[in-house]
Amino acid sequence: EIVMTQSPATLSVSPGERATLSCRASQSVSSNLAWYQQKPGQAPRLLIYGASTRATGIPARFSGSGSGTEFTLTISSLQSEDFAVYYCQQYNNWHFGQGTRLEIK
Amino acid sequence: QVQLVESGGGVVQPGGSLRLSCAASGFTFSSYGMHWVRQAPGKGLEWVAFIRYDGSNKYYADSVKGRFTISRDNSKNTLYLQMNSLRAEDTAVYYCAKDGSRYSSGWYEDYWGQGTLVTVSS
Repeated sequence: EIVMTQSPATLSVSPGERATLSCRASQSVSSNLAWYQQKPGQAPRLLIYGASTRATGIPARFSGSGSGTEFTLTISSLQSEDFAVYYCQQYNNWHFGQGTRLEIK
Repeated sequence: QVQLVESGGGVVQPGGSLRLSCAASGFTFSSYGMHWVRQAPGKGLEWVAFIRYDGSNKYYADSVKGRFTISRDNSKNTLYLQMNSLRAEDTAVYYCAKDGSRYSSGWYEDYWGQGTLVTVSS
């Protein structure tokens, strides 16, 4: 079983600054990695797939990188609407990470 | 536009059964695999099950294997989740989600419904 570990659990960042979220797989998942954003009371929204490809309609300030076991989601200049919980997911067997809560500093 | 609408949630006693449905529109349902993902109150996302576009293969999380059955009716553009032997730990919002790639064996989820709440309690 592939275990996904996200860090940190909570990240406090000021609007306009850069946020960097990490996701680690217990074994290689190649580039089969997606990132999702979830706001309170809402369904998750796909941000990134294939580790680095932005989904339809996702702003360019969101970027993904990495392959194998180490992945990063970067939000270049935080907007108020970006404060949410972010999940990574590998789609070898679809397990999610536990999430990173991005909060306003 | 893609729309996924779940129904069938509710309160059920431990050991009971429930069937969830997901009505799909806005895309060629019969060309895409479909997922169920759940989220317990205040917790993270847990993938539950996947079914290929033609129903030929189904995959389950270990936590539900042998108790839950995913199925689909391509003539009705509808996805199902039959849940038997329900436990308190199955309490969650259940989301149906469309797979991101046509005819695939299961990739990421690119569109999600709003979810339906299942509560297992006596």
